[in-house]
Amino acid sequence: NAGVTQTPKFQVLKTGQSMTLQCAQDMNHEYMSWYRQDPGMGLRLIHYSVGAGITDQGEVPNGYNVSRSTTEDFPLRLLSAAPSQTSVYFCASSYAGGLSNEQFFGPGTRLTVL
Amino acid sequence: DAKTTQPPSMDCAEGRAANLPCNHSTISGNEYVYWYRQIHSQGPQYIIHGLKNNETNEMASLIITEDRKSSTLILPHATLRDTAVYYCIVKHNAGNMLTFGGGTRLMVKP
Repeated sequence: NAGVTQTPKFQVLKTGQSMTLQCAQDMNHEYMSWYRQDPGMGLRLIHYSVGAGITDQGEVPNGYNVSRSTTEDFPLRLLSAAPSQTSVYFCASSYAGGLSNEQFFGPGTRLTVL
Repeated sequence: DAKTTQPPSMDCAEGRAANLPCNHSTISGNEYVYWYRQIHSQGPQYIIHGLKNNETNEMASLIITEDRKSSTLILPHATLRDTAVYYCIVKHNAGNMLTFGGGTRLMVKP
């Protein structure tokens, strides 16, 4: 298993540009989510999905869109990048049921918006 | 989900036990205590979780007080590779939203 993979690892954008951060998992997890982490801070939830075709907003959703057309993939779109979106972005996945919903995190995408 | 309070930083000597405290005085009856850690620049890693009984796995032990208002994560023999930020998170078992606070930065020293 590759686990949770994220691409790209690093990205530099100019203000106003758009891009998509990719996230994929091969564990057949129902739940997937996106977090951002600013320097010296804990992670904050952007959007999450409880299954294909279902998404919902987290704590800091503004400026980001998501979709979940397959179980495996959960891309995060920045429509018009702003310097305030400079951050490290982590994708995570987990099973929906059972006694444990341990989340598995990807390695992160480091985004700089100039 | 209940809020947690952790010391911002701790030091531990290599080979000794690291005891990381967490206060969660507003925890409700159906909320679990989860611990994750984040080694520099990597994605967080699940360590352990529990409801009210003490738990142990290959990585750590979790001690939850009888009133469930606080807990302690124990790394029995800390190594340099255990240097990381440790997050205590209280949440319902349903749903996948994790609310991260500031965590405790554990420095294991030779």
